[in-house]
Amino acid sequence: AQSVSQHNHHVILSEAASLELGCNYSYGGTVNLFWYVQYPGQHLQLLLKYFSGDPLVKGIKGFEAEFIKSKFSFNLRKPSVQWSDTAEYFCAVNEGSARQLTFGSGTQLTVLP
Amino acid sequence: DAGITQSPRHKVTETGTPVTLRCHQTENHRYMYWYRQDPGHGLRLIHYSYGVKDTDKGEVSDGYSVSRSKTEDFLLTLESATSSQTSVYFCAISEGAVGTGELFFGEGSRLTVL
Repeated sequence: AQSVSQHNHHVILSEAASLELGCNYSYGGTVNLFWYVQYPGQHLQLLLKYFSGDPLVKGIKGFEAEFIKSKFSFNLRKPSVQWSDTAEYFCAVNEGSARQLTFGSGTQLTVLP
Repeated sequence: DAGITQSPRHKVTETGTPVTLRCHQTENHRYMYWYRQDPGHGLRLIHYSYGVKDTDKGEVSDGYSVSRSKTEDFLLTLESATSSQTSVYFCAISEGAVGTGELFFGEGSRLTVL
């Protein structure tokens, strides 16, 4: 079965620091990749997605992610975080032909003002 | 925001009682999903539906059943609630299969089983 690993459970950064959150998956075939964000007290919303093409994907609020197929990774990055980026971030993977989306366990990001 | 309404938003119940959570959408999307969110586990798929009366099991379906008699409603039932089912439950919808687009999530239903 497909699995998604987010090794960083809690990341604490100061404002203006750079961010990179790791995401690795186990499926070796065609995949669709997503990052979702959950702000405190809110529902999940999509940050960015990768289906095909340019492996560097840009999303909302200055976030980007890079798909590295050889490493089975889809890491999320942001050059300079803000206090408002405090949230929980979830990586999710869909095997190309599947109807399901498998989520990682999430990374809680705390940005200190 | 996508038109997704979950009810109830909060519920406390006792072990052994039946519980039904409702997800209502106004988007006419074909696919609907029920996830549970638990600390350290992220979101895990319970059941999903790909059309009226068409449902399938997800990763953690034991102890849960679902029904979808109308496009807009997807019900999640715990026939006999257990403390291990204490969780936050999220409904999600998508227009097409998940590999073709994004999921839109509801606000969540927090269930506590005593």
